[in-house]
Amino acid sequence: KAGVTQTPRYLIKTRGQQVTLSCSPISGHRSVSWYQQTPGQGLQFLFEYFSETQRNKGNFPGRFSGRQFSNSRSEMNVSTLELGDSALYLCASRPQSLNTEAFFGQGTRLTVV
Amino acid sequence: AQTVTQSQPEMSVQEAETVTLSCTYDTSESDYYLFWYKQPPSRQMILVIRQEAYKQQNATENRFSVNFQKAAKSFSLKISDSQLGDAAMYFCAYRSDGQNFVFGPGTRLSVLP
Repeated sequence: KAGVTQTPRYLIKTRGQQVTLSCSPISGHRSVSWYQQTPGQGLQFLFEYFSETQRNKGNFPGRFSGRQFSNSRSEMNVSTLELGDSALYLCASRPQSLNTEAFFGQGTRLTVV
Repeated sequence: AQTVTQSQPEMSVQEAETVTLSCTYDTSESDYYLFWYKQPPSRQMILVIRQEAYKQQNATENRFSVNFQKAAKSFSLKISDSQLGDAAMYFCAYRSDGQNFVFGPGTRLSVLP
């Protein structure tokens, strides 16, 4: 079974631009969560999608948004990029059941200059 | 809100020796799940071990075992017969039903040959 796939692996953007990151979950998994990882703040939850609906949202500004498609693939978008958005963005997928561990992708390293 | 604390930012262990990584958490829930994830330089988070709070027996996975003390809200990870490939960041994580992961700040483990 293929793992969680995130694209692209690396991105460099300029302040003020917007960016879209993609995550393809493990086949059959319907839950996709996004996390931001920075040296200062550690791993922070962004949002979770299940069956194309946002189920939970972390404490991030409205510039951060996401969506999930009918094939469970998910995208997250960050508009009006700031230097502080530079981070590793990790996607995790889970089966339908809630009480299972999450399987992570290798992340997208976003650098804002 | 739930919090997870890892008081050891860095640890080192000699190859073939045993090391214990500490984790404490704070929650008012009675039902929850605890995890240890490993993040090697490849950046992908890999599940090491999981523990359901309702189980009194400590989880074990080959060389990895936990010491789960529910009353003390403590969840330490013991790595026996340490190998060079065990070198990584280790994250303790908490999750309750319907919620997403809360991660600790991580412990960087070095394995010395």
